[in-house]
Amino acid sequence: DVKVTQSSRYLVKRTGEKVFLECVQDMDHENMFWYRQDPGLGLRLIYFSYDVKMKEKGDIPEGYSVSREKKERFSLILESASTNQTSMYLCASSSPQGEGTDTQYFGPGTRLTVL
Amino acid sequence: GESVGLHLPTLSVQEGDNSIINCAYSNSASDYFIWYKQESGKGPQFIIDIRSNMDKRQGQRVTVLLNKTVKHLSLQIAATQPGDSAVYFCAENRGTSYGKLTFGQGTILTVHP
Repeated sequence: DVKVTQSSRYLVKRTGEKVFLECVQDMDHENMFWYRQDPGLGLRLIYFSYDVKMKEKGDIPEGYSVSREKKERFSLILESASTNQTSMYLCASSSPQGEGTDTQYFGPGTRLTVL
Repeated sequence: GESVGLHLPTLSVQEGDNSIINCAYSNSASDYFIWYKQESGKGPQFIIDIRSNMDKRQGQRVTVLLNKTVKHLSLQIAATQPGDSAVYFCAENRGTSYGKLTFGQGTILTVHP
């Protein structure tokens, strides 16, 4: 089974703190994604990566950065957390090879609260 | 702009009934569609997918139907169970690179015992 894990289920931070959210997948997938999920807004893509050290902005990259130093790990960084970044953060991965290649597999999510 | 959307935000059914969840899409270039299930406090879970060269695909108790003429996608769940209660999302690949998906808002399915 595909396994995507996220470093924390729940996280509480203060305004202005630097926040790191970690995601690890064990299926050797090339593509990895970070989303945030808010009531009424659905899943919105923050950043994605299609290879080690490669990254692309998604729909709402402002206030976020990412790092992909190893294929299995994709980190989301909030440089200076703000209250409007309180949300559920979801990581996903997929592979471009074979049938069903665009299926994204999700981690359990990190519920981040910024006070 | 173009988007994936849902006709109904909520659906309530009795245990044992069949459920149908609908999704409309507007991009004719979309070639791959997925249904996800998300239980409270968890990440979305893959249910079933379908490519645009098909109009029907069946899984265990689930069937996805694709009508390209009217750009409509549906998920049918047979003999719905309380454990099926969740939010269901459709997602589409609009032919973009790197497997990017566009997600619908979701439908809340509630199954009453």
